[in-house]
Amino acid sequence: DVVMTQSPLSLSVTLGQPASISCKSTQGLLYSDGNTYVNWFHQRPGQSPRRLIYKVSNRDFGVPDRFSGSGSGTDFTLKINRVEAEDLGVYYCMQGTHWPYTFGQGTKLEI
Amino acid sequence: EAYLEESGGGWVQPGRSLRLSCTTSGFTFGDYVVSWVRQTPEKGLEWVGFIRHKAYDGTEENVEYAAPVKGRFTISRDDSKSVAYLQMNRLKTEDTAVYYCTRGYTADWGQGTLVTVS
Repeated sequence: DVVMTQSPLSLSVTLGQPASISCKSTQGLLYSDGNTYVNWFHQRPGQSPRRLIYKVSNRDFGVPDRFSGSGSGTDFTLKINRVEAEDLGVYYCMQGTHWPYTFGQGTKLEI
Repeated sequence: EAYLEESGGGWVQPGRSLRLSCTTSGFTFGDYVVSWVRQTPEKGLEWVGFIRHKAYDGTEENVEYAAPVKGRFTISRDDSKSVAYLQMNRLKTEDTAVYYCTRGYTADWGQGTLVTVS
């Protein structure tokens, strides 16, 4: 199975400052159709995960533009331009290229 | 707006069965893959499997399962009711988790239902 390794596992940030989370995979994630299926999710305490980014860099509907995704091959990054209080929680990357699809272990963002 | 709601969770003894339902609204159910993902504090988020939609005409199987549940779990769907199911047989203690259904490959999630096997 493809292992998705996130870093850091915990991130303490100041409101208004940027934040960045890295996700590295043990295999390349470019699919045969030319797409790279890497998603990012945010989970607040007591809630279900919410997808923020799909196919590396596409923001889901309603996701603020302070969130951005980038990367290729085996290295991917989620960036938050200016952290807001509502951004606290755990962030997960996920690969949807090789079955079984797999998630990273999560990065806890603390304000 | 897509809405998904899981139901059917609860406590069950090892070796027994449980069926989860995923009731949906707000989108054309028959046009979408439905996935099941589970979450535990120990293992984090883990794929259970997914069922493709009827419009899919690829050569692969219409349902995929992760290795830990293959042969014990069955995913099905009733497009006329906009409902998906996860039939879980021969349950093990390690199947204890919050189970989520999602529209597509994780586009929208339900609130989850807790399954406890002990």
